[in-house]
Amino acid sequence: QQQVKQSPQSLIVQKGGISIINCAYENTAFDYFPWYQQFPGKGPALLIAIRPDVSEKKEGRFTISFNKSAKQFSLHIMDSQPGDSATYFCAASRPGAGSYQLTFGKGTKLSVIP
Amino acid sequence: DTGVSQDPRHKITKRGQNVTFRCDPISEHNRLYWYRQTLGQGPEFLTYFQNEAQLEKSRLLSDRFSAERPKGSFSTLEIQRTEQGDSAMYLCASSLGGAGETQYFGPGTRLLVL
Repeated sequence: QQQVKQSPQSLIVQKGGISIINCAYENTAFDYFPWYQQFPGKGPALLIAIRPDVSEKKEGRFTISFNKSAKQFSLHIMDSQPGDSATYFCAASRPGAGSYQLTFGKGTKLSVIP
Repeated sequence: DTGVSQDPRHKITKRGQNVTFRCDPISEHNRLYWYRQTLGQGPEFLTYFQNEAQLEKSRLLSDRFSAERPKGSFSTLEIQRTEQGDSAMYLCASSLGGAGETQYFGPGTRLLVL
């Protein structure tokens, strides 16, 4: 059972465009939703995270939009750059219930072309 | 740099051999996590320590796998009688504890079982 579903699997965006990656979750007990960026041969690095008491969080060019009723959240990368080319993972956990394990989506490979 | 470190970075072994990986978390972090990542997938949770206590274990952690965190500092993950299906990237992460959910990942150990 995949608890966090991520789409699309791959994405090609032109430099300066907006990259949008979507995730849907099933477990309503999740209360922490991070996005990670991973380059080949490296470990994932936290980009931005949100809790369900807010609908949007922005940090620089990265924005998370959160829809609690639809159990969906998305990552928007504004003014996408070739250096943003990487694999992005959404994740969820239940720290409020004392469970810190992250459940990850399957990832989206983003390619930003000049 | 005082990030999470893992050793070795790469390991090639023959089926049936035992392997051990080491993770050194960020120094003040009291939570430590192990994940496994196969090609084209997101990381999958294996186990989690709070200080020296192992608090959560995934069903993925078969009886051939054992993890320890003596004295609440570094951790080791041992795989006994390795199988080809164990080939993956093994990732370690740490977090601060308390309300700190952010998990910082190390570069991973890539295991290839021949």
